[in-house]
Amino acid sequence: EVQLVQSGAEVKKPGESLKISCKGSGYSFANYWIGWVRQMPGKGLECLGIIYPGDSIIRYSPSFQGQVTISADRSISTAYLQWSSLEASDTAMYYCARYPPGLGDAFDIWGQGTVVTVSS
Amino acid sequence: DIQLTQSPSFLSASVGDRVTITCRASQDITNYLAWYQQKPGKAPKLLIYTASTLQSGVPSRFSGSGSGTEFTLTISSLQPEDFATYYCQQLNSHPLTFGPGTKVDIK
Repeated sequence: EVQLVQSGAEVKKPGESLKISCKGSGYSFANYWIGWVRQMPGKGLECLGIIYPGDSIIRYSPSFQGQVTISADRSISTAYLQWSSLEASDTAMYYCARYPPGLGDAFDIWGQGTVVTVSS
Repeated sequence: DIQLTQSPSFLSASVGDRVTITCRASQDITNYLAWYQQKPGKAPKLLIYTASTLQSGVPSRFSGSGSGTEFTLTISSLQPEDFATYYCQQLNSHPLTFGPGTKVDIK
């Protein structure tokens, strides 16, 4: 079964760092993009960026460039999203999603989501 | 960035109704548009990609059409499990962007 399994919920204080993960299984992890999507409470979907684990090409959405770091370790089929200094406004659900490399393909498999709560 | 708008933002409908949601792009995205369904507390689910291709396993009552800057998602006969929020997404160029969503509620 093709699936993405994300790390568990996090509760952090402002200024703390955090790294959440997304582990793929059932497919060739290196050959599909992974996208990270934010959903703030009661709001819509925003794409933070995408990474191609095969060669670690990363494309950040301009709104999130410099705010987060996306990475991947193809040897363990895992992608990461990290913050060096969290803010209350980072409180949200974060999803990872698989994005096939073919032109026009879409986010076909999604992780279950990781809730991040930032509060003092 | 390519901006997407959706209309309506909310619609109230009954089981069996035909429902149409429109997504408009701020520039030509050819047919690189996808539609997702999201239920409360769940991850989004891909319904349609390249504007009109039905994702495997998605019921045939869902259909998509359009090209360029205007696209539609149609549910031919609304079922109880279809009450959800629907998002469009453009995949023509980075950054990939989503529409603001259309919530389909029970009348």
